[in-house]
Amino acid sequence: DQQVKQNSPSLSVQEGRISILNCDYTNSMFDYFLWYKKYPAEGPTFLISISSIKDKNEDGRFTVFLNKSAKHLSLHIVPSQPGDSAVYFCAARVETSGSRLTFGEGTQLTVNP
Amino acid sequence: AAGVIQSPRHLIKEKRETATLKCYPIPRHDTVYWYQQGPGQDPQFLISFYEKMQSDKGSIPDRFSAQQFSDYHSELNMSSLELGDSALYFCASSRDFLSRDTQYFGPGTRLTVL
Repeated sequence: DQQVKQNSPSLSVQEGRISILNCDYTNSMFDYFLWYKKYPAEGPTFLISISSIKDKNEDGRFTVFLNKSAKHLSLHIVPSQPGDSAVYFCAARVETSGSRLTFGEGTQLTVNP
Repeated sequence: AAGVIQSPRHLIKEKRETATLKCYPIPRHDTVYWYQQGPGQDPQFLISFYEKMQSDKGSIPDRFSAQQFSDYHSELNMSSLELGDSALYFCASSRDFLSRDTQYFGPGTRLTVL
């Protein structure tokens, strides 16, 4: 039972353009969401997070949008840079039952120069 | 800045052998989490510790055990290894379990069971 789903295994964009990575979840108890970036042979690196009481959080080139009614969140990267090429994982947790993260399958982003 | 340290980075074992993975959290982090990532899969939560006590338990096989020591480092002990245990094992740490602080991940240990 995949509670967090990233339906696009891969995404390719041109340098300077916007990258939009999507994530859907099924567990309505999730109330905190995170995005991690992962390079080969490294652990996931925290990027940005959002609480369910917000619908948008911005940090530099990265913005996360949350649509609770649709159980959908997205990560926008503007402008995209070749160094952004990595696997991006969406993760979620339930605040009242420990801090375990439930991950999506990941999306491989490739930013072409 | 100091990061989460995991050792060894790579480990090759035979079936039915045992393995011990070590995790050293970021200084002043009191909570440690273990995740398993199989080939082509997303990381799956195994177990976590807060102040040396087990705080949460996920899909960890009975053949596995873990603990957190007084210096906050943690060890994941795996016995009777099976081929399906081949995976990347990540450790993460956070500053304050009660505040649900962000988890920061180590580079992982790649375990190969032959």
